[in-house]
Formats: sequence, C-alpha cells, structure tokens
Amino acid sequence: AQTVTQSQPEMSVQEAETVTLSCTYDTSESDYYLFWYKQPPSRQMILVIRQEAYKQQNATENRFSVNFQKAAKSFSLKISDSQLGDAAMYFCAYRGNQFYFGTGTSLTVIP
Amino acid sequence: SQTIHQWPATLVQPVGSPLSLECTVEGTSNPNLYWYRQAAGRGLQLLFYSVGIGQISSEVPQNLSASRPQDRQFILSSKKLLLSDSGFYLCAWSRGLGSTDTQYFGPGTRLTVL
Repeated sequence: AQTVTQSQPEMSVQEAETVTLSCTYDTSESDYYLFWYKQPPSRQMILVIRQEAYKQQNATENRFSVNFQKAAKSFSLKISDSQLGDAAMYFCAYRGNQFYFGTGTSLTVIP
Repeated sequence: SQTIHQWPATLVQPVGSPLSLECTVEGTSNPNLYWYRQAAGRGLQLLFYSVGIGQISSEVPQNLSASRPQDRQFILSSKKLLLSDSGFYLCAWSRGLGSTDTQYFGPGTRLTVL
C-alpha cells in the first residue's frame, strides 16, 4: 500500500529566509505524481507544485521548488524568500491509482 | 475556467440528525469527484469518489453515503450523525483517475456535531 510520511508536524522560518519541508513515500508503482498542497487558515486546499515521477528535473514554481529523489522516495519542498503569506499547513500527496496525503506540516513565518 | 463550490460553508448539527452537503463543479464535463474528511490536526481521509453519474466508490465504511445525481453534482449524506462525524469536509474534482490528474479542491464545509 502507498503511504506518505511527513515527519515534521511543525516548522518555523524567519521572513525572507529559506525553509525545507520533508516528505517521504512508499510505493511499488513506477508511474506516479507527487504534489505539495497548501492549506491556509481559510482551509481551502491550494496546489503549490507537482512533480512527475518519470522526470529527473526538479519542478520549480517561482519561490517554490522540490528536491525529488526517486530512489530514496523522498520529495521535499523548498520555500525561498519566505513571506508572511506562506504561513499555512502544507500537505505532501502521492497520486498513483489513488490520492494519498501526508498528515501535514504547519509552517509559521516569523516577521 | 473551472470552479468548484461547496455549501454550506459551516454547519452545526445535533447528534442523530441527518446531513446533506453539496458540491458542484462548473466549467468541465464528466469530472471525477471526491469527498475527503479532515479531522482537527489531521491529514485528509478519502471517503468517496465517483467516476460518473450514479457511480460511487466507498473508501471507508461508516454511516456516511454519497450520491451523484448529476454529472457535476456530488452529495454527501448521513441519516444519523455521530459526534465522530465532526470535521472539515472537502470536495475535489479531477479530469481523470490516471496518475497525471491533479485534484482541485473546493472551499470546504466545517461540520460540528453536538
């Protein structure tokens, strides 16, 4: 069975600094996608970035980038130049035959 | 562009009362639809998904049910709510069930069962 693990329940970062959120997953599938979703206090889930497993190049979206290590089954999210609006719960998700979500990391941005 | 709506936004119900949460999608046809529950401080738990009208797959056995009476309408129901049904309910849609399909989420419904 596929599982997604986020080992950091809470993280904090100083405004304008860089923070990395960790995610590992377990799967026997070869074709899948990985996602990071952001859930701000409004509770709506917002897609931040996605990575295709067959691509070796790490996905990047403005200040957000991933470090995808397929052999290690690791998928971390790096947020550069952190802003106050980045404060939220971040969920790592795996998409093979179904969606599986991690338990989330709560990110606090310190002014 | 596609949009997804959920209502009500918040709901407070007594134990044993019925429940009906509605989700509708605009701007696309034949979407795959999903219901998730998020308990306080927890991740998302997939409850139901649907690939078409009248087609419902249940992931977790419980006192909830889902129906899809129209292509872009997905309803989550219960005949008798339990205290453990409290949580945040998210509806989502995707274009397909394949690995390439991103899920897009609605604004959610916060349900409190007293």
